[in-house]
Amino acid sequence: QVQLQQWGAGLLRPSETLSLTCAVHGASFNGYYWSWIRQSPGKGLEWIGEIHHSGTTNYNPSLKGVFTISVDPPKNQFSLRLDSVTAADTAVYYCAREYYYDQSASYFDSWGQGSLVTVSS
Amino acid sequence: DIQLTQSPPFLSASVGDKVSITCRASQAIGTYLAWYQQKPGTAPKVLLYGASKLETGVPSRFSGSGSGTEFTLTITSLQPEDFATYYCQQLNTYPVIFGQGTRLEIK
Repeated sequence: QVQLQQWGAGLLRPSETLSLTCAVHGASFNGYYWSWIRQSPGKGLEWIGEIHHSGTTNYNPSLKGVFTISVDPPKNQFSLRLDSVTAADTAVYYCAREYYYDQSASYFDSWGQGSLVTVSS
Repeated sequence: DIQLTQSPPFLSASVGDKVSITCRASQAIGTYLAWYQQKPGTAPKVLLYGASKLETGVPSRFSGSGSGTEFTLTITSLQPEDFATYYCQQLNTYPVIFGQGTRLEIK
């Protein structure tokens, strides 16, 4: 049973750096894509981007390249970084595993518990 | 980008009712659609993928149908634990897109 455990600073001031890490337990880290998704207060789900264990990344172009996702395969971990946060980045951030059920389609079958990040001066 | 539009945004129903939620895609996506359930303070949980394939462990009162641009999530005989927000997601093109959600409330 795969489990994703995430952590990182929850209260940031504007212009500080958001840094979150997600650790994968109970399943292989290799061979999967791993995503970050955020949910602003009272809003829907926004996909930020994904990383393969090999380091290949894809990002949501609507977020204008401000996020960086990295991976540490020996530790079974992947991370999210955002430099210079603003109040608009206040959200719950989730890490999630993408499960490919056919060659070209995947869904999120396992999620972290979520991390509330609040940006306030 | 593909856009997903869910309707209705809010739905009020009673325990035992049958309800349906629709997700319309701005362009054809075959059967590449998933449905998630989210309860307050928790991460979303997948219910169905491939438009109609039930995820392991999900009760059979949940079902999905549709292809192309119109999809439906149906819940028969609503249980108290089913009152939550439901999201659709398209599965095979970038960027990953979710519908805006349908909040199912107890009448």
